[in-house]
Amino acid sequence: DAGITQSPRHKVTETGTPVTLRCHQTENHRYMYWYRQDPGHGLRLIHYSYGVKDTDKGEVSDGYSVSRSKTEDFLLTLESATSSQTSVYFCAISESRTSGRNEQFFGPGTRLTVL
Amino acid sequence: GEDVEQSLFLSVREGDSSVINCTYTDSSSTYLYWYKQEPGAGLQLLTYIFSNMDMKQDQRLTVLLNKKDKHLSLRIADTQTGDSAIYFCAVTTTGNQFYFGTGTSLTVIP
Repeated sequence: DAGITQSPRHKVTETGTPVTLRCHQTENHRYMYWYRQDPGHGLRLIHYSYGVKDTDKGEVSDGYSVSRSKTEDFLLTLESATSSQTSVYFCAISESRTSGRNEQFFGPGTRLTVL
Repeated sequence: GEDVEQSLFLSVREGDSSVINCTYTDSSSTYLYWYKQEPGAGLQLLTYIFSNMDMKQDQRLTVLLNKKDKHLSLRIADTQTGDSAIYFCAVTTTGNQFYFGTGTSLTVIP
């Protein structure tokens, strides 16, 4: 299994509070991603990073920010959590191969509940 | 962007074969993948196929690719209760773009 950890694994918070989720990898992969998974929607990309300090938005980035100050860490911040951000959040990593085979490897997920 | 479609649910009896289908829209897709997600866990890569291949077999898993119809399928032979999970197809195009389907929930009935 790829060395990807996420913390915390579970969190319950209140509307309006800031929340930061952490993804840590030991694979030295260039790309890192944050997804949310909701019933009926599959996986939706929030933000991704293609290198230290290099990030870009995904399809559902509103209300989220990210930072990547080291290759191994990718942080997802909800500045002011809302109930619509209750979800399971997954981090993923991938290499960047010239062959184009760039499968993503996933962390175990963080279940976030916003009351 | 790419649209990747899957049916949401599939039920099969233990010992039967399961076939999970996926359609996509971008003909420039290069690699196509199948992932498995067990309850409470992340996604695990099961297998992949390159776009110049029609079929790939890996033990009980067979992947079929019909590029003309943009149709990908995953066949699981002799389905077991441990195969109950959500299965996602995913495709990549040039430029490291990665697109997931909505997932198919497979239930295996003993």
